[in-house]
Amino acid sequence: QVQLVESGGGLVKPGGSLRLSCAASGFTFSDYYMTWIRQAPGKGLEWLSYISTSGSTIYYADSVKGRFTISRDNAKNSLYLQMNSLRVEDTAVYYCARPSSQGGSGYYYFGYWGQGTLVTVSS
Amino acid sequence: EIVLTQSPATLSLSPGERATLSCRASESVSSYLGWYQQKPGQAPRLLISDASNRATGIPARFSGSGSGTDFTLTISSLEPEDFAVYYCQQRSNWPRTFGQGTKLEIK
Repeated sequence: QVQLVESGGGLVKPGGSLRLSCAASGFTFSDYYMTWIRQAPGKGLEWLSYISTSGSTIYYADSVKGRFTISRDNAKNSLYLQMNSLRVEDTAVYYCARPSSQGGSGYYYFGYWGQGTLVTVSS
Repeated sequence: EIVLTQSPATLSLSPGERATLSCRASESVSSYLGWYQQKPGQAPRLLISDASNRATGIPARFSGSGSGTDFTLTISSLEPEDFAVYYCQQRSNWPRTFGQGTKLEIK
């Protein structure tokens, strides 16, 4: 079965850096684009970033552009999010997510999510 | 970016009642809108893709409609497990965006 397991969250000071990882299993990782989505405590969902199957196409939300970098290693079935210049407002649970399917309308939405990893930015 | 506005913010209903949740886009997203359900402490679950396509395993009491800028998620007869927060999400443009959510609570 599809599994996505995030790791790397924790407490970091403003201006600091953190690297999140998402380990994928139960499917052919290289066949799917991947995304990062976050949720601040008690708040809604915020889409952050997209990376294509090969890593050649990447998109970011304006809120993280220039500070966060998404990457993937298909040989290791892993997705990453390098987060630099962290701000208090980056405090959130960070999810990696995969599209529901390789075709049809499900291709464009997130049918599989990890359990999330909490990032707390505080002095 | 496309802003999605959901209404109402909170909806108080009883089991067995019909729920109607709204999502309005700041510009046309054609039919490229999905719906998710999130329960406390859990990751979101995809319910509907492209306005009206139920995801695998989603009960028939969930239905979606709309196009352009106005969309609706309808739950025909609420079950106790349906009380949760619901989000819409557009896939028409980059960046993808979510609505702020509607909390469906037990009356």
